[in-house]
Amino acid sequence: QVQLVESGGGVVQPGRSLRLSCAASGFSFNSFAMHWVRQAPGKGLEWVAVISDDGSKKFYAGSVKGRFTISRDNSRTTLSLQMNSLRVEDTALYYCAKDRGSSGWRGLPDYWGQGTLVTVFS
Amino acid sequence: QSVLTQPPSASGTPGRMVTFSCSGSSSNIGSNHVYWYQQIPGAAPKLLIYRNNQRPSGVPDRFSGSKSGTSASLAISGLRSDDEADYYCAAWDDSLSGPVFGGGTKLTVL
Repeated sequence: QVQLVESGGGVVQPGRSLRLSCAASGFSFNSFAMHWVRQAPGKGLEWVAVISDDGSKKFYAGSVKGRFTISRDNSRTTLSLQMNSLRVEDTALYYCAKDRGSSGWRGLPDYWGQGTLVTVFS
Repeated sequence: QSVLTQPPSASGTPGRMVTFSCSGSSSNIGSNHVYWYQQIPGAAPKLLIYRNNQRPSGVPDRFSGSKSGTSASLAISGLRSDDEADYYCAAWDDSLSGPVFGGGTKLTVL
């Protein structure tokens, strides 16, 4: 069955960087686009970024564009999110999620991991 | 402020039906498929409906979705106590080049 396990969260000061990872298994990782979606404490879901199956296409939410970079390693079935210039408002539970399709364009998640918590705190 | 609009709360009694609304615009619901997710407190979201009205395998037929114009709805029939959760609608937004979510509706089973 599909398994997505996030790691890399923690407490960090504003302006610093953090790198999240997601280990995927149970499906053909290189055939599906992948998303990062976040949820601030007590709030709703906010999409962060998506990457196509081959890594050639990437799309970002306006709130993270230029600061976050999504990437993937299909040989290691791993998804990553490099987060730079972190802000207090980036504090959230970050979910890794599998897309139903391959391109990421007009795609939405079907399976979600359990999330990793990022706290930006001065 | 979420791009898709959902009422913050809903309630129903066991065995009855409850419906959730989701309102968007021509750039999201009006031109793309709607997805619905269930999030039980403390758990990850779970896909309930995709492509407006399709259920993934394992989702009971008590859950049904529909779309009309720039609005969508989710219905749960035969309400159960374990249906208590937050329900989110989502759709791709062509103007933003990414998915957008509603703010979620918290369901209370009385």
